[in-house]
Amino acid sequence: EPEVTQTPSHQVTQMGQEVILRCVPISNHLYFYWYRQILGQKVEFLVSFYNNEISEKSEIFDDQFSVERPDGSNFTLKIRSTKLEDSAMYFCASSEEPRPSTEAFFGQGTRLTVV
Amino acid sequence: RKEVEQDPGPFNVPEGATVAFNCTYSNSASQSFFWYRQDCRKEPKLLMSVYSSGNEDGRFTAQLNRASQYISLLIRDSKLSDSATYLCVVGHNDMRFGAGTRLTVKP
Repeated sequence: EPEVTQTPSHQVTQMGQEVILRCVPISNHLYFYWYRQILGQKVEFLVSFYNNEISEKSEIFDDQFSVERPDGSNFTLKIRSTKLEDSAMYFCASSEEPRPSTEAFFGQGTRLTVV
Repeated sequence: RKEVEQDPGPFNVPEGATVAFNCTYSNSASQSFFWYRQDCRKEPKLLMSVYSSGNEDGRFTAQLNRASQYISLLIRDSKLSDSATYLCVVGHNDMRFGAGTRLTVKP
């Protein structure tokens, strides 16, 4: 069964450092998302991406965040200068259609710990 | 008002019980509706989509009321393996999650 893969599974970084979280969406999917979940809290939308540009972004997705699809397969989330409150599980997801009317498949997540 | 609001839970039920979860959403233009399930420290996984006419998948029944902006999930004959957090998800231009309702099914 096709799946979304994320690397690394766990990343520890020092406050102020840049991190890049990587995702390989399902190959025929066109719509990509990043979500985050702070421990014990709800899943929060960060950004959606279609046709090589951001479709929607939340108020969380400020200037320290960026996304990129550098090579047609990977989809990355960069956090430029990490803060302690960026510690969370980050989930990548993808869906087949350009609008979220179909199931989004989630990767297993990257646990980011900022120390 | 929160975009997607769910019963706070937690729900602790015996095996075999029937349990119902409710969810309301604020954006009347929402177009797609789902229930996801999330096990502890795992990724959300689709349980079922929710259609206007209501739909059933085995022990699970989902209902949608667009006029009241309300979604429900009914689990019949609950199993120990149903223990998880159930997430109401509403889609418009993107997908927004409710905070989830924790269910624990006990022997």
